[in-house]
Amino acid sequence: EDQVTQSPEALRLQEGESSSLNCSYTVSGLRGLFWYRQDPGKGPEFLFTLYSAGEEKEKERLKATLTKKESFLHITAPKPEDSATYLCAVQARGKLQFGAGTQVVVTP
Amino acid sequence: DGGITQSPKYLFRKEGQNVTLSCEQNLNHDAMYWYRQDPGQGLRLIYYSQIVNDFQKGDIAEGYSVSREKKESFPLTVTSAQKNPTAFYLCASSIDTRKDQPQHFGDGTRLSIL
Repeated sequence: EDQVTQSPEALRLQEGESSSLNCSYTVSGLRGLFWYRQDPGKGPEFLFTLYSAGEEKEKERLKATLTKKESFLHITAPKPEDSATYLCAVQARGKLQFGAGTQVVVTP
Repeated sequence: DGGITQSPKYLFRKEGQNVTLSCEQNLNHDAMYWYRQDPGQGLRLIYYSQIVNDFQKGDIAEGYSVSREKKESFPLTVTSAQKNPTAFYLCASSIDTRKDQPQHFGDGTRLSIL
C-alpha cells in the first residue's frame, strides 16, 4: 500500500535556527513529489516539484531534496514568517497522496 | 488575478440537509479536485474531474456528489448520507491529470454541523 509519512509532526525553532523536515514514501512508480506550505485557515500553497532522485530546488530560505525513498525540506535561518504547516505529496498511479504535514513554529 | 475561489468560507449544516460548496477557477485548467482535510490526517481525495461532463470517485466519495457542467466550475454537494461531514474542504485544479503538474488550491470551506 502506498504511504507518505512526514516527520516530525511538529517543530519549534528559534529565529535563525536551521532545521530539516522529512517526507518518506513507499509508492510504486513515483511520478513527482510536491511540497506545499499551508497557513491556518488557508489552502495549501505550492512550493516545489521534484521528479527524480538527486534533484534539488530552492526558494529563499527553503531547499528541497529528493532521494529514492525520501525528501527533505531544509529551512535555513528561519524567520517567524516561515511558521506554517508544510505538506508533502507524492504523485503515483494517477493520484496525489498527501502526508499529514509538519507544523513549524518559528519564535523571535 | 488567476486563481481558485471557494465559497462560502464557513458553512453550517442541519441534520438531514444537503449543502453545496462552490469552487470556481479562472486558470483555464482542465482538471479539478475536491479534498477533505481532518486534523492530523493528510488530505483525502473525494472526487476529481479531468474534463467537462466527466468525473470520477476518489478514495472517500460516499455521501458526496459533484457536477462539472462548465470548465470553470466544480461544485461539491455534501448529502445527508455523509454522517461525519465536519471538516475543511479544499478544491484544487491542475493543467490536466496526465502531466504531473502541481495542483493549485483554493482557500477552503469549513463545514460544521448545527
